[in-house]
Amino acid sequence: DQQVKQNSPSLSVQEGRISILNCDYTNSMFDYFLWYKKYPAEGPTFLISISSIKDKNEDGRFTVFLNKSAKHLSLHIVPSQPGDSAVYFCAASVLTGANSKLTFGKGITLSVRP
Amino acid sequence: NAGVTQTPKFRILKIGQSMTLQCTQDMNHNYMYWYRQDPGMGLKLIYYSVGAGITDKGEVPNGYNVSRSTTEDFPLRLELAAPSQTSVYFCASSLQGWEQHFGDGTRLSIL
Repeated sequence: DQQVKQNSPSLSVQEGRISILNCDYTNSMFDYFLWYKKYPAEGPTFLISISSIKDKNEDGRFTVFLNKSAKHLSLHIVPSQPGDSAVYFCAASVLTGANSKLTFGKGITLSVRP
Repeated sequence: NAGVTQTPKFRILKIGQSMTLQCTQDMNHNYMYWYRQDPGMGLKLIYYSVGAGITDKGEVPNGYNVSRSTTEDFPLRLELAAPSQTSVYFCASSLQGWEQHFGDGTRLSIL
């Protein structure tokens, strides 16, 4: 039972354009969401997060949007750069949970074409 | 600043052998985690620890054991290696539990 779903396995965009990476979740208890970026042969690195009390969080070129009623979040990268080419994982957690565990999606491979 | 260090980076095991994957962090984080990532899949939690002396099972703990005798170290033990344990293993640590810092992984093949 996948609680965090990234249904598109890959995305290809032109340099300078917007990249939109989508993520859906099924567990209504989740109230904290994170995006991680992973390059080949490296571990994931934290990118940006959002709490359920917000619907948007922005950090430079990266913006995460949260639609709680639809149980959907998206990561926008504007403008996309070739160095953004990586696998992006969506993760979710219960903020008030005692154990602080993350549930990850399968990831989306983003390719940014020069 | 080393962060999270995993050793070895690569290993090939025979079925039935045992080994320990090492993980150490120098950020004084209380929370530590072990994940596995199979091809085309997300990260699945094997075991985690909220502090020295405290460990608990994650989503896929069967076939693995852990210990946490110090804040810095969180080794993962495979007792009887099976082909289904072929995977990439990631260790992570966190101050609060959510924004986790990952090591670069151990790629393990069991033949």
